[in-house]
Amino acid sequence: NAGVTQTPKFRILKIGQSMTLQCTQDMNHNYMYWYRQDPGMGLKLIYYSVGAGITDKGEVPNGYNVSRSTTEDFPLRLELAAPSQTSVYFCASSSGGRDTGELFFGEGSRLTVL
Amino acid sequence: AQSVTQLGSHVSVSEGALVLLRCNYSSSVPPYLFWYVQYPNQGLQLLLKYTSAATLVKGINGFEAEFKKSETSFHLTKPSAHMSDAAEYFCAVSRKGTGKLIFGQGTTLQVKP
Repeated sequence: NAGVTQTPKFRILKIGQSMTLQCTQDMNHNYMYWYRQDPGMGLKLIYYSVGAGITDKGEVPNGYNVSRSTTEDFPLRLELAAPSQTSVYFCASSSGGRDTGELFFGEGSRLTVL
Repeated sequence: AQSVTQLGSHVSVSEGALVLLRCNYSSSVPPYLFWYVQYPNQGLQLLLKYTSAATLVKGINGFEAEFKKSETSFHLTKPSAHMSDAAEYFCAVSRKGTGKLIFGQGTTLQVKP
């Protein structure tokens, strides 16, 4: 059972470049999330989605964009990469109802911006 | 607004000793509370959750946590540490049914032989 799959696992970008982090889940979950993890800071919510065609900002959305055209996929777009976006990015998904807070995480994508 | 504070960024225990990881929360509405564990180079996985049912919650791998409203706490405990428990642990809070978790800063648990 694949769960939540993120690609790429590692990426180095130059300042000003753009890229897309891919995320797909095979659990038919309606809810999907993007978090970034920085040392000593825990995880911060970037964007989330409650279903195909619906997205909303989290705590730290600046510099990022998302789309949700299907239930399975939730790509995160970085435009004009900056050193402050160096981080580990996690995609997660959850079902609705009482289990909404039980998130299933991917293995992460480590991004370095130089 | 909701927030979570984890007391102690690093905790070190001996194998077989009690594990106690502290978490205090702030929430203007009845919270849902969670503990997640992260092993090196992996994503987070759920240990246990409190969703307004029993205040003592049992999770996987022998961990449990008690919701204490009067102390706004949700501390994680395990009676006897195992080497495999070494990991980073995150406490999180959310509003009922939203899935938008607010995470604490994390506590790294070291288990010494």
